[in-house]
Amino acid sequence: QKEVEQDPGPLSVPEGAIVSLNCTYSNSAFQYFMWYRQYSRKGPELLMYTYSSGNKEDGRFTAQVDKSSKYISLFIRDSQPSDSATYLCAMSPSGGYQKVTFGTGTKLQVIP
Amino acid sequence: EAQVTQNPRYLITVTGKKLTVTCSQNMNHEYMSWYRQDPGLGLRQIYYSMNVEVTDKGDVPEGYKVSRKEKRNFPLILESPSPNQTSLYFCASGTSYTQYFGPGTRLTVL
Repeated sequence: QKEVEQDPGPLSVPEGAIVSLNCTYSNSAFQYFMWYRQYSRKGPELLMYTYSSGNKEDGRFTAQVDKSSKYISLFIRDSQPSDSATYLCAMSPSGGYQKVTFGTGTKLQVIP
Repeated sequence: EAQVTQNPRYLITVTGKKLTVTCSQNMNHEYMSWYRQDPGLGLRQIYYSMNVEVTDKGDVPEGYKVSRKEKRNFPLILESPSPNQTSLYFCASGTSYTQYFGPGTRLTVL
């Protein structure tokens, strides 16, 4: 079993929909949780960063961490065609750069 | 412009021929990392560096070497590449909480 599990999709939604992306994990030592967006043929870019449990909001994006269930989510409100990309969750016990474990990514397509 | 650069972007080589992939950042970041990305396996960390002359292994360090002699540069060295090292490689730099990724280097080892 992988340390981090992520549904690969693809996930297709109409423009304006609320998108929910999720990851589960098994390592209780993870304390730092990140979401990255990766466009085709590009490097990943950091979207959201949270420490421990709780919610964090940034514009149309909301990240949730439930450590008791070992489950993290990324919500995208009012989805746009430009949101079409692969979304990667990432986790670490000790910071955003050290011993980082990534999910395999969920491919999202927002249809105009 | 703040960026992470990698060279070369594409490389085809043969088994056993030593190669180096360069990585440079202009953001004065202390932390730098190397990852490989493979279908179905996602991004896996190879090595990371917390500062000049300070490096540590990630999840898949076997067959790779790194050095950090200057803050801005973090080259990845494959001393004897093998076909199982065919992959898409990313360099990243950042702070304690964030990482900025380079554009990637697609390596094929025949």
